[in-house]
Amino acid sequence: QQQVKQSPQSLIVQKGGISIINCAYENTAFDYFPWYQQFPGKGPALLIAIRPDVSEKKEGRFTISFNKSAKQFSLHIMDSQPGDSATYFCAASGKDDYKLSFGAGTTVTVRA
Amino acid sequence: DVKVTQSSRYLVKRTGEKVFLECVQDMDHENMFWYRQDPGLGLRLIYFSYDVKMKEKGDIPEGYSVSREKKERFSLILESASTNQTSMYLCASSLSLYEQYFGPGTRLTVT
Repeated sequence: QQQVKQSPQSLIVQKGGISIINCAYENTAFDYFPWYQQFPGKGPALLIAIRPDVSEKKEGRFTISFNKSAKQFSLHIMDSQPGDSATYFCAASGKDDYKLSFGAGTTVTVRA
Repeated sequence: DVKVTQSSRYLVKRTGEKVFLECVQDMDHENMFWYRQDPGLGLRLIYFSYDVKMKEKGDIPEGYSVSREKKERFSLILESASTNQTSMYLCASSLSLYEQYFGPGTRLTVT
């Protein structure tokens, strides 16, 4: 079964709105939580990542919020733009572990 | 600029055929990975390699094998392709424990 549960499967947002994608995990050994962005016809690319020693990380319009006690983390896309339309994957890995466990993915569509 | 290339973007094979998917990276990365991507399931790790001739099974290795004879090249082999192996296959490489760089993927259809 998937070690990282991601929701929603898809979402539609108007230009300028906020997109929110949520992920949950059970494995307390996870200590690295990246988000990957994938455009159609391309491979995923690292967007932003967080370690559990901080509760929030922001890069431009993208913010990760992390709740260690709840074992949840989320991606917020502020002021969503049509160019943000893509599939987003959350992932997690343990300390000194090369392997990433991915969520199922969320397809975001930003309507102009 | 970082580059991971995969030998084919689209491939159609018949059931029972032996299939080779090739991946090459030009970044001198130690680690290479093969994933399959299916709708609703995300990316699932098939095999990874942390050095030449070294490999480890991922979450779904059944029906697959890999080969890494040179640092820059990592091959995925389907010994006898089956229809349930129809999928998008993604190769990735990484230098550190963290960021993985992905190729564009090979969409394999087994008929």
